[in-house]
Amino acid sequence: LAKTTQPISMDSYEGQEVNITCSHNNIATNDYITWYQQFPSQGPRFIIQGYKTKVTNEVASLFIPADRKSSTLSLPRVSLSDTAVYYCLVGDVAYNFNKFYFGSGTKLNVKP
Amino acid sequence: ETGVTQSPTHLIKTRGQQVTLRCSSQSGHNTVSWYQQALGQGPQFIFQYYREEENGRGNFPPRFSGLQFPNYSSELNVNALELDDSALYLCASSWERDYEQYFGPGTRLTVT
Repeated sequence: LAKTTQPISMDSYEGQEVNITCSHNNIATNDYITWYQQFPSQGPRFIIQGYKTKVTNEVASLFIPADRKSSTLSLPRVSLSDTAVYYCLVGDVAYNFNKFYFGSGTKLNVKP
Repeated sequence: ETGVTQSPTHLIKTRGQQVTLRCSSQSGHNTVSWYQQALGQGPQFIFQYYREEENGRGNFPPRFSGLQFPNYSSELNVNALELDDSALYLCASSWERDYEQYFGPGTRLTVT
């Protein structure tokens, strides 16, 4: 199972773009990359998922290079409400999502 | 559309006791996963139920067991509670073991 490595914490200011990188050197061919956001005392919330190149939704963008050994979650113009822990997960889309491992995540602190 | 709900919100038990936690999945979802989240750590996968059958299990001992009912709600049972079982227990539902899981608010279990 692919293990992920993320920075423990990051600081940013309101209005800035934030990029959080996740390393997953042992990613398998069938693995997808998924990011979740978690606020204190709440369950994680799905942000975005991708397999390769770039994926964008109304909340974030996900950049995945050709070798797929890393991925970058990009949050445009963050606000104070984006202060949370962000988790990168790597898992097989076919029948193996029972092995979702969240790791310790990246604590993003957005300052005014 | 009703989201994932969990009960109770908080629970205090004594070492050696047994506990049952409950989860109602989001409407239309047939897959439920359970996670344990210790303070300051990411969620750790316990097991998943798909169409009333256990579909995979993380690194947890047999005293952690579960059930899924025909309406796709689920229970997590923990026997012989230990102090290290103190954690936030999260339930997540999805459609057909999809990568996009919807998490409930969790049950905070304290073992004394």
